[in-house]
Amino acid sequence: DSGVTQTPKHLITATGQRVTLRCSPRSGDLSVYWYQQSLDQGLQFLIQYYNGEERAKGNILERFSAQQFPDLHSELNLSSLELGDSALYFCASSPGLATPLHFGNGTRLTVT
Amino acid sequence: SQQGEEDPQALSIQEGENATMNCSYKTSINNLQWYRQNSGRGLVHLILIRSNEREKHSGRLRVTLDTSKKSSSLLITASRAADTASYFCATDPFSSNTGKLIFGQGTTLQVKP
Repeated sequence: DSGVTQTPKHLITATGQRVTLRCSPRSGDLSVYWYQQSLDQGLQFLIQYYNGEERAKGNILERFSAQQFPDLHSELNLSSLELGDSALYFCASSPGLATPLHFGNGTRLTVT
Repeated sequence: SQQGEEDPQALSIQEGENATMNCSYKTSINNLQWYRQNSGRGLVHLILIRSNEREKHSGRLRVTLDTSKKSSSLLITASRAADTASYFCATDPFSSNTGKLIFGQGTTLQVKP
């Protein structure tokens, strides 16, 4: 058990809808990362927060947004969903920078 | 674009044999890490090698890093059926200073009992 909790585990929704994925980092970890894993694109870095502030941005679509709250949990919001957004979304956390990441078990999103 | 490219994409060996996976990357790095992913599960950190290190060991794992060739290899010795998983290299780009990692496409390893 990595100590990183992601909810829900599975999500099935229709095109055009909006969903929120939630992540609780390991106790004491200040940094939260979001990744998208799909068969054709592999593991893509989306966004990183450190102690409540956005630290780095990757290949995150404008339809997607995220935030990290004062208690350090993070949420990834996906809106106007398209079929191509179907993927595994992982959250990872680390105590600081340049340290190994600890991954949750992901949220499997299926857009129909 | 992906920072790391891995080779081979898939590898099938018998239990007890050694497995070698290679990773190439494009830009200067702070460190390179290897992760393992069992089917549909989260990634698990295996080992981290810093840019000024050439080789590192952890149990049955041996990692090498050649910064001049921008490449790394992961060797798993005396493989077991439980080693069946996907293995990813990930780089912490020197220019990033954020700790974010860029992952390769991974090598799928099957160890037959």
